Amino acid sequence: AQSVTQPDIHITVSEGASLELRCNYSYGATPYLFWYVQSPGQGLQLLLKYFSGDTLVQGIKGFEAEFKRSQSSFNLRKPSVHWSDAAEYFCAVGNSGGSNYKLTFGKGTLLTVNP
Amino acid sequence: DGGITQSPKYLFRKEGQNVTLSCEQNLNHDAMYWYRQDPGQGLRLIYYSQIVNDFQKGDIAEGYSVSREKKESFPLTVTSAQKNPTAFYLCASSPSLRTEAFFGQGTRLTVV
Repeated sequence: AQSVTQPDIHITVSEGASLELRCNYSYGATPYLFWYVQSPGQGLQLLLKYFSGDTLVQGIKGFEAEFKRSQSSFNLRKPSVHWSDAAEYFCAVGNSGGSNYKLTFGKGTLLTVNP
Repeated sequence: DGGITQSPKYLFRKEGQNVTLSCEQNLNHDAMYWYRQDPGQGLRLIYYSQIVNDFQKGDIAEGYSVSREKKESFPLTVTSAQKNPTAFYLCASSPSLRTEAFFGQGTRLTVV
């Protein structure tokens, strides 16, 4: 069974600073990987996804993520954070094989942006 | 506009009553999902459906039931057997199982 770990429960950055949110996964093969963002009381919005190919993927709102197989990681990055980026971020992994597909989510990282 | 509609946004029920949460999508997606979200717990899968008239239990199916009689609809019933039903419930859909999921805006259920 796959699992996802987001080591940081809460991160605070200043507006304009760079951001990196960590995500580690456990899965026996190359998984499908996703980052989602959630504003309070809202649903989840997909930021980016990785299925195969180029390990650096670009997403919406200026976010990118890099798949590192050797580290079982899929960290989310943004070079300059805006106040509107304050939200909760979820990493998710889907199994690329097997008969039953599951999308497993991490517990989330809450991002606070200081002016 | 295409999307996933969950209704109502807020729902209050008395303990011991069954309650049904609605989820409708007009994206022509085959797969649909129900997740439960509790503070600090991430999202946990309750049920999912790959096609009409078929659905599978997720990680926390006990106390919940679903149906998938139409492609666009996947209602979730929270039964009185669910011991701690107060939570935020999210419905999602995807073109097929092994693709990204798109989420509705959620229903916050409070049982008193």
